[in-house]
Amino acid sequence: RKEVEQDPGPFNVPEGATVAFNCTYSNSASQSFFWYRQDCRKEPKLLMSVYSSGNEDGRFTAQLNRASQYISLLIRDSKLSDSATYLCVGFAGNMLTFGGGTRLMVKP
Amino acid sequence: DGGITQSPKYLFRKEGQNVTLSCEQNLNHDAMYWYRQDPGQGLRLIYYSQIVNDFQKGDIAEGYSVSREKKESFPLTVTSAQKNPTAFYLCASSSSGADTQYFGPGTRLTVL
Repeated sequence: RKEVEQDPGPFNVPEGATVAFNCTYSNSASQSFFWYRQDCRKEPKLLMSVYSSGNEDGRFTAQLNRASQYISLLIRDSKLSDSATYLCVGFAGNMLTFGGGTRLMVKP
Repeated sequence: DGGITQSPKYLFRKEGQNVTLSCEQNLNHDAMYWYRQDPGQGLRLIYYSQIVNDFQKGDIAEGYSVSREKKESFPLTVTSAQKNPTAFYLCASSSSGADTQYFGPGTRLTVL
C-alpha cells in the first residue's frame, strides 16, 4: 500500500465549477501536509500547506482530518489556468512523501 | 535571482554510459534532494543530503551516486547499473529542518 494515495483522475470540470480532491495517508507519524501543483513537464510548485484547523487561500481551501487520515483540497470557481496535476504530500522524519497526483482539466 | 538551477533541461545518452546531472542552488539551503518521476507517477526519492559532505540513500538509490562537496551543489550521476534510467529528474532544496522543499526545473533524461 502506498503511503500517500490519490485518485489519479482526470477530473474534467467546466469553468466556474467547484471541485474537490481527497488524499489518504498511512503514516500516522506524518507531521505536516502540503498540496503541490505540477504543470505538464514542469517542476512541482508549492500551492499551500494544510493545517488541522483548515486553511484557505483565495479560491483554494485545504483540510486535514487526522482521525481519518485524509487531506482534501477544494477549488472554487475553477479557472482554465487551474488545469494541472495536484500532488498531495506528507512530511515525516525529515522526508516528503508524494502521492501520485490528481489531474484536473478545466474546460471552457 | 535566488533559486535552484538544473542543467541540462534535456539529455540524451546511449545505453551503458554514465551521465551526471547538475543541480545548483543559491538559497543558502542546507538540505538538497534528488527525485525521479516517471510518466503518471509521483516523485520517488533517490538520494538526499542534509549537510555538506554527507548524504543518504533514498527509496531508489540503486544505480545512482551523488556527491556534496559544496553547499550549493549536489550533482547526481546515473550509472550504467541503473536498469531503467529514462525519466524526469528533479532536484530540490530546503532550509535545515524545514519541511518546505523548492524544486529546480528538472532534467529529462532519455537513454537510447
